[in-house]
Amino acid sequence: EAQVTQNPRYLITVTGKKLTVTCSQNMNHEYMSWYRQDPGLGLRQIYYSMNVEVTDKGDVPEGYKVSRKEKRNFPLILESPSPNQTSLYFCASMSWTSGDSYEQYFGPGTRLTVT
Amino acid sequence: RKEVEQDPGPFNVPEGATVAFNCTYSNSASQSFFWYRQDCRKEPKLLMSVYSSGNEDGRFTAQLNRASQYISLLIRDSKLSDSATYLCVVNRFQGAQKLVFGQGTRLTINP
Repeated sequence: EAQVTQNPRYLITVTGKKLTVTCSQNMNHEYMSWYRQDPGLGLRQIYYSMNVEVTDKGDVPEGYKVSRKEKRNFPLILESPSPNQTSLYFCASMSWTSGDSYEQYFGPGTRLTVT
Repeated sequence: RKEVEQDPGPFNVPEGATVAFNCTYSNSASQSFFWYRQDCRKEPKLLMSVYSSGNEDGRFTAQLNRASQYISLLIRDSKLSDSATYLCVVNRFQGAQKLVFGQGTRLTINP
């Protein structure tokens, strides 16, 4: 079964305490991405990766880091979380098969609260 | 101005009604277009792609007007299970494929 998994699903932490949200996909997709979703703002891309060891900033990368050492994993790292990073985070993987045809799967989301 | 704009709603309609959502996008380099559905506290899921000729999937019809940079979604004979947030999504190439999401339109179908 095609799947994107994220852990943890829920996390409450304090300002400044480093954390990592893991993301893993089993579809051998090259492209993976992290989004955050906030009320009234929709989904905004944080970082994306086009392949192993290839990552780039999305629209809101400040305060986040990522790595892509293996194709299946794309962890999101918050070195020093702050309250404005309280949000719902989604990892996604996708592939374009041809033209407009593509497949994309989102992980179940991680609800992060930073106090 | 947001690159993809939708009316956030909420829309509250009775079961069986026809509902129409509209979306506009500002980047003329946008290549492909989609509607996603997101249930409360869940991940977005692809509902349907939107093609220039218009396309239909059961009770759902999607239309694209490239000249006006406008996308629409029509839901006929709405069901209680259609209650969700509908996201308009645009894909463009900017060094890499990039999906841009609208903020979503919340729909509640009432019995």
